[in-house]
Amino acid sequence: QLQLQESGPGLVKPSETLSLTCTVSGGSISSSSYFWAWIRQPPGKGLEWIGSIYYSGSTYYTPSLKSRATISVDTSKNQFSLNLNSVTAADTAVYYCAREGSAAGVPSGKFESWGQGTLVTVSS
Amino acid sequence: SSELTQDPAVSVALGQTVRITCQGDSLRSYYASWYQQKPGQAPVLVIYGNNYRPSGIPDRFSGSTSGNTASLTITGAQAEDEADYYCNSRDSSGNHPSVVFGGGTKLTVL
Repeated sequence: QLQLQESGPGLVKPSETLSLTCTVSGGSISSSSYFWAWIRQPPGKGLEWIGSIYYSGSTYYTPSLKSRATISVDTSKNQFSLNLNSVTAADTAVYYCAREGSAAGVPSGKFESWGQGTLVTVSS
Repeated sequence: SSELTQDPAVSVALGQTVRITCQGDSLRSYYASWYQQKPGQAPVLVIYGNNYRPSGIPDRFSGSTSGNTASLTITGAQAEDEADYYCNSRDSSGNHPSVVFGGGTKLTVL
């Protein structure tokens, strides 16, 4: 059964870079049928798609975060990662990684499997 | 990017039927998915492709779409269905493909 597990610091200082890794087990990140996505949820608020990556390295980002977010993939480790730079308190959220169906080579929005999420707090 | 609009809160009596709606221009072109999220838990996909249920999702959950509106219907709501529900879809209103979520609907089962 597919499992996704987020890891990374739970506390990041303002203006620094948030770095998270998602480790995939029970399935290959190199499958051509899926994208791998990051989604976040500020405390008490709704879900926000950050971006998605294909095993080949093709990436798609939400416009509001495109200038600060970088998603990368390491197929040898079956992992993908998120870097978000110049963080502020507004980036405090639970960050989820998820497997996403592919729709003719672009993200479908169908998030089939999710990690448990990790809370990242931005504070000095 | 486009927006998806959901009612913030909806309530239903135990055993009755409830419909949760999601409106947005992207739904005219792309499929809707629906997610159930209980407190402290990750979201769970309950409907995809407008009206398909993943395995393990009870058949009291169903989806439909008309024009720019997608709907999630729970027929015979159970106490365990009390949760937040989010819709989403692909979006192409910007220069590149993206994904958009609705703001979520809190369902209370009375």
